[in-house]
Amino acid sequence: EAGVVQSPRYKIIEKKQPVAFWCNPISGHNTLYWYLQNLGQGPELLIRYENEEAVDDSQLPKDRFSAERLKGVDSTLKIQPAELGDSAVYLCASSTTGFHEQYFGPGTRLTVT
Amino acid sequence: AQTVTQSQPEMSVQEAETVTLSCTYDTSESDYYLFWYKQPPSRQMILVIRQEAYKQQNATENRFSVNFQKAAKSFSLKISDSQLGDAAMYFCAFNQGGKLIFGQGTELSVKP
Repeated sequence: EAGVVQSPRYKIIEKKQPVAFWCNPISGHNTLYWYLQNLGQGPELLIRYENEEAVDDSQLPKDRFSAERLKGVDSTLKIQPAELGDSAVYLCASSTTGFHEQYFGPGTRLTVT
Repeated sequence: AQTVTQSQPEMSVQEAETVTLSCTYDTSESDYYLFWYKQPPSRQMILVIRQEAYKQQNATENRFSVNFQKAAKSFSLKISDSQLGDAAMYFCAFNQGGKLIFGQGTELSVKP
């Protein structure tokens, strides 16, 4: 069984530029999550999708962050414009419905210069 | 609000020895799930073990086991026969309504 796939693995951009991250969850997993992990800390949830619907986006900074999950499979997380403080690892995870264990992708390390 | 606390930023263990990582949490819920995740330098979060709060029996997965004390809201991870490949950051996590709340992590090093 293929795991959660994320791309790119690394991204370096200048501040004020846009950036997008892509995630393909495990086949059959209806729930998809985006987490932000700052250096030396545990991940924090940005947004959770149940199929196509964003059911928890309370921690997503909506002035510059946006996300979509078209057709309830792949998802894209976008930042526009990026700020220096956005440098972090962005993790995608998926699970079956029912809030059980979540399976994570390898993450995207974003560096904003 | 639910919180998860890992009071040991760093731990060290000799290869083949046993080590215990501590975790406490705070919640008013009675039914929930707890997890330990391992994150090596590759950044891939790997599920190590899970515990359902309604189960009194402690979960075990090969060399990994937990000591779940519901009344004390404690959830420690024991790694037996430590191996070099166990070196990583370990995160305790609590499942709150579909959202994982993570602790700050414990960095485990394994000495040969």
